[in-house]
Amino acid sequence: DAKTTQPPSMDCAEGRAANLPCNHSTISGNEYVYWYRQIHSQGPQYIIHGLKNNETNEMASLIITEDRKSSTLILPHATLRDTAVYYCIVRAALTGANSKLTFGKGITLSVRP
Amino acid sequence: GAVVSQHPSRVICKSGTSVKIECRSLDFQATTMFWYRQFPKKSLMLMATSNEGSKATYEQGVEKDKFLINHASLTLSTLTVTSAHPEDSSFYICSVGFYSNQPQHFGDGTRLSIL
Repeated sequence: DAKTTQPPSMDCAEGRAANLPCNHSTISGNEYVYWYRQIHSQGPQYIIHGLKNNETNEMASLIITEDRKSSTLILPHATLRDTAVYYCIVRAALTGANSKLTFGKGITLSVRP
Repeated sequence: GAVVSQHPSRVICKSGTSVKIECRSLDFQATTMFWYRQFPKKSLMLMATSNEGSKATYEQGVEKDKFLINHASLTLSTLTVTSAHPEDSSFYICSVGFYSNQPQHFGDGTRLSIL
């Protein structure tokens, strides 16, 4: 799987948008970009994923550059409960169900009051 | 609602004890489940891929005789840490895998502490 690069940490004010960047310059054409987050002492929580187009759901938006070498996760109105480690993961598009997720170090988002 | 149920959430036991952790896929059948381990302030590390009806596939450096995986049904995979020692203390997390265009869903994890 292609590797990703994320800054180690960032913070934002409560109520403001949090824009979390991720570089994946070696991504292949059939690899998806996935975002998960992990709140302390819990299992990772799925946020969103995409292949080429921008995606939006009730939690966040995912903006993927045209060359697919980077992406940005946007939390439109961050709350204190969004404080977590966010993982950007590139996942191989295999035909079977056993497609692994390889976790990097992630980015620690701290939302301040 | 929860997609994956993991039990127990926390276990404390003496060195030399074997500990079994269960991972259940709720509401759907899962031919593949994954087991991860996470040490404090570190990222998740994949230990093994659990395949229903066949042997698990272990990652390099993970002892298969130490970490026994059984995936006897389409909704249950178990991880048994055999003869656990303090260095096995960690956060163990399972996930249910689908095709790569669908997200994996994770359990809430099991905090294992070996005294």
